[in-house]
Amino acid sequence: ETGVTQTPRHLVMGMTNKKSLKCEQHLGHNAMYWYKQSAKKPLELMFVYNFKEQTENNSVPSRFSPECPNSSHLFLHLHTLQPEDSALYLCASSQDREPGGYTFGSGTRLTVV
Amino acid sequence: ILNVEQSPQSLHVQEGDSTNFTCSFPSSNFYALHWYRWETAKSPEALFVMTLNGDEKKKGRISATLNTKEGYSYLYIKGSQPEDSATYLCAPFGGNYGQNFVFGPGTRLSVLP
Repeated sequence: ETGVTQTPRHLVMGMTNKKSLKCEQHLGHNAMYWYKQSAKKPLELMFVYNFKEQTENNSVPSRFSPECPNSSHLFLHLHTLQPEDSALYLCASSQDREPGGYTFGSGTRLTVV
Repeated sequence: ILNVEQSPQSLHVQEGDSTNFTCSFPSSNFYALHWYRWETAKSPEALFVMTLNGDEKKKGRISATLNTKEGYSYLYIKGSQPEDSATYLCAPFGGNYGQNFVFGPGTRLSVLP
């Protein structure tokens, strides 16, 4: 375990479903991130939260809705997704967005049917 | 967005072989270049942080060099072992790459016993 925990590990959902991904860290980090990895593509940044405030939304469709209730928890709410949204969703955290590196979770493998 | 390239895309070597792969970046205006190692079904794990031209870092059998003048970083693995099998990602941070990591597509290494 890296200290960043993501649940669930796997998720299959229909296009009309609503589901949420959860990320939790108790490393004392102030910044948290959602990344997406689609097949054969590099990791793509989706959202950045710094001290619970969203500082970046990387042109992500509104069917993805992040929530950061405190510095330790990050959620990604999903609704009316498309099959092309099937991907691995990774959460990461870091201290104050300094270039000391990210600590990643193991990801949620999402399949939209 | 500045794209980061990695080559080769994938690599198969025999146990005991030494190998190396390349990260190429279009701009050397960054605070740091990070290497991550990502084993299947696990979290990406930070390997090296490189900041200066000519930097050379080493961890066991794995080492990395940075050449900012010509825009590349090499990762070397000496005497590859099956446990080295993973995807290796490079990611510049800061400067022209903004305040978030820009990840390359990775080199997928398979070490055959």
